[in-house]
Amino acid sequence: RKEVEQDPGPFNVPEGATVAFNCTYSNSASQSFFWYRQDCRKEPKLLMSVYSSGNEDGRFTAQLNRASQYISLLIRDSKLSDSATYLCVVLLSGGSYIPTFGRGTSLIVHP
Amino acid sequence: EPEVTQTPSHQVTQMGQEVILRCVPISNHLYFYWYRQILGQKVEFLVSFYNNEISEKSEIFDDQFSVERPDGSNFTLKIRSTKLEDSAMYFCASGWENSNQPQHFGDGTRLSIL
Repeated sequence: RKEVEQDPGPFNVPEGATVAFNCTYSNSASQSFFWYRQDCRKEPKLLMSVYSSGNEDGRFTAQLNRASQYISLLIRDSKLSDSATYLCVVLLSGGSYIPTFGRGTSLIVHP
Repeated sequence: EPEVTQTPSHQVTQMGQEVILRCVPISNHLYFYWYRQILGQKVEFLVSFYNNEISEKSEIFDDQFSVERPDGSNFTLKIRSTKLEDSAMYFCASGWENSNQPQHFGDGTRLSIL
């Protein structure tokens, strides 16, 4: 079973749409979670951390479900500039620190 | 906003040669990392570095690889005896804490092995 799984997409949505991505992780000891975005052939850039109680940053909302071992990202009012690959990143707790990336979910927002 | 810088942006090398990829992390950061991303695949952790020594490394980071922080600012990744499958994008990242804080990535070095 893959450590961090994401639907690769692409999700093809019109401007203004609401879109949601999920990411599942296999290690229940996972402690920290992040969403990054990556534009084609560019570096990953932090979008937002994911907190246990859920958190929102403008049009973006992240949720964590520890019982089912998944995190989600909701994007409201999609913009053309939201087109990118969204990477889920999971970190284990404790002394060992090896971040695990998902393969990413591709989002295409069209006019 | 401070940023992580990497040089060169693109490196083309003959198979079997050694390459050194360079990174200047954000100045007040204490933790440094190298990742690679083979075209079309996921980002993979290679190594983390703290207090002038390796703190974690993945299975990918074998004897072919080494890291160094020679002068307190640069952070380098050396790849010896390069192979075709070493062709990838190599990202450096830095952070000021190792556990629950996000990292800041450089814009990468594209390594092409011929």
